[in-house]
Amino acid sequence: GAGVSQTPSNKVTEKGKYVELRCDPISGHTALYWYRQSLGQGPEFLIYFQGTGAADDSGLPNDRFFAVRPEGSVSTLKIQRTERGDSAVYLCASSLTAGGASGELFFGEGSRLTVL
Amino acid sequence: EDKVVQSPLSLVVHEGDTVTLNCSYEVTNFRSLLWYKQEKKAPTFLFMLTSSGIEKKSGRLSSILDKKELFSILNITATQTGDSAIYLCAVNAGGTSYGKLTFGQGTILTVHP
Repeated sequence: GAGVSQTPSNKVTEKGKYVELRCDPISGHTALYWYRQSLGQGPEFLIYFQGTGAADDSGLPNDRFFAVRPEGSVSTLKIQRTERGDSAVYLCASSLTAGGASGELFFGEGSRLTVL
Repeated sequence: EDKVVQSPLSLVVHEGDTVTLNCSYEVTNFRSLLWYKQEKKAPTFLFMLTSSGIEKKSGRLSSILDKKELFSILNITATQTGDSAIYLCAVNAGGTSYGKLTFGQGTILTVHP
């Protein structure tokens, strides 16, 4: 696609529910990243994929968070047993190669998750 | 733990003013420092800096890196209302994880007409 596409743009759920957030990167980009941004903070790294494999998942806060990218394109971030503290904007980004030749990551507009 | 600190946290100026935004960092395995502009949702790339003392420039925006003192500045001259945004500084601390950026908390810039 023309840019990084994320769905849903907004998700409101209840504590304890399961949610899935989807990211469709720019066509041809092999690297895909998930970040989380809380109000008043900069984005916080969660995980990045090089192709189908998770090259670095050190930012996932706990085992309730999981992400997949089975065909090396679209990725899904999955959050089990959501907690109020999971409320944030989840940003996805992609780049042609890991780190990007120019360092540039192309970000989507994010999925705003609200856990009541 | 890698750390990026930006100052000021917020800044209010009038059109035509010049502003300087600061970013200091403490990281292992420094690869590059990046500046992003975030207007509503998606951060958009401004600059990547890897070498000390070399100024990057794009229109009214410019940035420079000091790897000895571990900081960078972003200058915006002749500010316009369209410059109002959150400016994010991030460091790629490399190692084997080429994709991981550590961001500062951002500077909120408001430009009044």
